[in-house]
Amino acid sequence: NAGVMQNPRHLVRRRGQEARLRCSPMKGHSHVYWYRQLPEEGLKFMVYLQKENIIDESGMPKERFSAEFPKEGPSILRIQQVVRGDSAAYFCASSPPGLGANYGYTFGSGTRLTVV
Amino acid sequence: SQQGEEDPQALSIQEGENATMNCSYKTSINNLQWYRQNSGRGLVHLILIRSNEREKHSGRLRVTLDTSKKSSSLLITASRAADTASYFCATDATGGGSNYKLTFGKGTLLTVNP
Repeated sequence: NAGVMQNPRHLVRRRGQEARLRCSPMKGHSHVYWYRQLPEEGLKFMVYLQKENIIDESGMPKERFSAEFPKEGPSILRIQQVVRGDSAAYFCASSPPGLGANYGYTFGSGTRLTVV
Repeated sequence: SQQGEEDPQALSIQEGENATMNCSYKTSINNLQWYRQNSGRGLVHLILIRSNEREKHSGRLRVTLDTSKKSSSLLITASRAADTASYFCATDATGGGSNYKLTFGKGTLLTVNP
């Protein structure tokens, strides 16, 4: 079991470019959660997805950010027209249906986005 | 909104000593979880304690929860250099069906010196 796989590990983008972050959940996990960690901060919830459904995107900035979890393939967090303030570590977590809250979540190693 | 706050922000000890980290939060919770993050890496789930539990053990880890004070502590006994990491508490929310949404504190940076 490879765990939660995120790629790329590091991503450098110039201001105005698009960033695509990928997350493959653990085998058997159909729920995916994205968090953002700014320097010297704790993780902040962004979005919760199930296959083909966005369940809660209350932590997502209203503009430029979008997320999807298609029927086939990884979950994608997309940031359009990146700005320096988007520089952060983005973590993905997964869980089996309904169990994460009671047993904990499995996190990936994160993607560190640097906007130059 | 609820918020986990760890205390101290940084802790430096010698190998073999015990390390205690504290976490406070503001609103009612279902569960409280502790995670470890090694520098530049992802989070590793350490232990989960439910709101109706007061103490839980896992190997060298001991977690306590005091819901009346809205606080938790993580004790690592007989620390090792490999325990050097940041430790975060994370709480979920009761009610509203959003218990999947974790709120993390800023973490305690633990350094264990050989």
